[in-house]
Amino acid sequence: EAGVAQSPRYKIIEKRQSVAFWCNPISGHATLYWYQQILGQGPKLLIQFQNNGVVDDSQLPKDRFSAERLKGVDSTLKIQPAKLEDSAVYLCASSFQPLGGYTFGSGTRLTVV
Amino acid sequence: GQQLNQSPQSMFIQEGEDVSMNCTSSSIFNTWLWYKQDPGEGPVLLIALYKAGELTSNGRLTAQFGITRKDSFLNISASIPSDVGIYFCAGYPNTGNQFYFGTGTSLTVIP
Repeated sequence: EAGVAQSPRYKIIEKRQSVAFWCNPISGHATLYWYQQILGQGPKLLIQFQNNGVVDDSQLPKDRFSAERLKGVDSTLKIQPAKLEDSAVYLCASSFQPLGGYTFGSGTRLTVV
Repeated sequence: GQQLNQSPQSMFIQEGEDVSMNCTSSSIFNTWLWYKQDPGEGPVLLIALYKAGELTSNGRLTAQFGITRKDSFLNISASIPSDVGIYFCAGYPNTGNQFYFGTGTSLTVIP
C-alpha cells in the first residue's frame, strides 16, 4: 500500500511569513495526526482528526497554527505568522484505529530565519 | 503532557553486540510502541505491545511491556550497521487520548 505522502519536503521562510503543509494519509485510515518534532526531541502531537472532525487540538498554538481535513482525506497545516521557534520537522501520520500504531510520512522540514 | 524518559540517550557499539534500551514513566500506560527513525525520514513502527508482561519479537528486535505498566524495554541482538538511527518509545496512558513519545535513544553501530 502507498504510504503517507507529505509535501513539501523542505521549506525555508522568513519570520512573520506564512506557510502551509499538505498530507495525504493511507487510504482507508480514518485517523490523521500532525506532529511537531524539534531537533533532538521526540514528536509532539499538534492535532488529531477522526475523519474530518477534530478529536484533540489541545497542543495546537491556535493563535498562529490552523489545520483542516476536508472530506476526511487530505489535510493541510498552516502557520501564520511563523516564528523562529517554529523551526522543526512537521510529521503527518495516519492510522486505521488509534491504538494500532501510526504510519508516519517523511515529514516537512521547516526552517524559519 | 506525559513525560517519557528514555535511556540511554545515545549508544556507540561494535557491530555484532547486543543493545538494550528502556523507556520509563511515572504514569500507567495501556499500550507501548517502539519506533525507529532514520535521518530525514519519519519514524517507522517496529513493535507494538498491548498487555503488561507481554514480550514480542520482530526479527532481531525484542520488546517487553513492563509488569508495572510504567516502563518498556527494547533489545536488539547482534547489531548490524543498518540498525543505526534514533529509537523512540511511545506510550498511550491509562487516562489519556493520545500517544506520547520519549526523547529518543540514538544508536551508532561501528563496523
